[in-house]
Amino acid sequence: DIQMTQSPSAMSASVGDRVTITCRASQGISNYLAWFQQKPGKVPKRLIYASSSLQSGVPSRFSGSGSGTEFTLTISSLQPEDFATYYCLQHNSYPITFGQGTRLEIK
Amino acid sequence: EVQLVESGGVVVQPGGSLRLSCAASGFTFDDYTMHWVRQAPGKGLEWVSLISWDGGSTYYADSVKGRFTISRDNSKNSLYLQMNSLRTEDTALYYCVTGGFDYWGQGTLVTVSS
Repeated sequence: DIQMTQSPSAMSASVGDRVTITCRASQGISNYLAWFQQKPGKVPKRLIYASSSLQSGVPSRFSGSGSGTEFTLTISSLQPEDFATYYCLQHNSYPITFGQGTRLEIK
Repeated sequence: EVQLVESGGVVVQPGGSLRLSCAASGFTFDDYTMHWVRQAPGKGLEWVSLISWDGGSTYYADSVKGRFTISRDNSKNSLYLQMNSLRTEDTALYYCVTGGFDYWGQGTLVTVSS
């Protein structure tokens, strides 16, 4: 099974900060990676698919990059509504696996 | 508008069985692979199972393999998850999700407890 390891597991940042979250795969997954945002009590929302494609309707301050085993989600200028938990997911091979999540909190 | 509405979540004893359903609308259901994803209280997301558009291929997480069975009825635009030999660690909110993980239902809560 492919393990997805996110770092950091939690972080605090301020409005306006540039934030980067990393997801590492235990083996190569090409670009079969997606990023999700989940706010407390809400359904997960897909932000990025195919490693770097922005979901329709998602603000352009969100971007994704990477291929193979290392991927990043970047928020260029944090907004108050971006404080949430973020998950990566690989769908290159079965079983499909999520990262453990990164909780982004207000500093 | 895409809608996914899960149902069937209840409190069940360990060792018991349960069948979850997901009613889909707003898209051509039989064009899409479908998933079940779960989230235990206060925990992260866990992929559970996938079924191909025609039901011909199914895949499972190691944690549920041999106990859960995914199925679909394209004539009813419905997805199912038969859950047998339930364990306390199966307690979670179960989401029905489209193939690209772009649309999610609101989830149905399964609680396994004596």
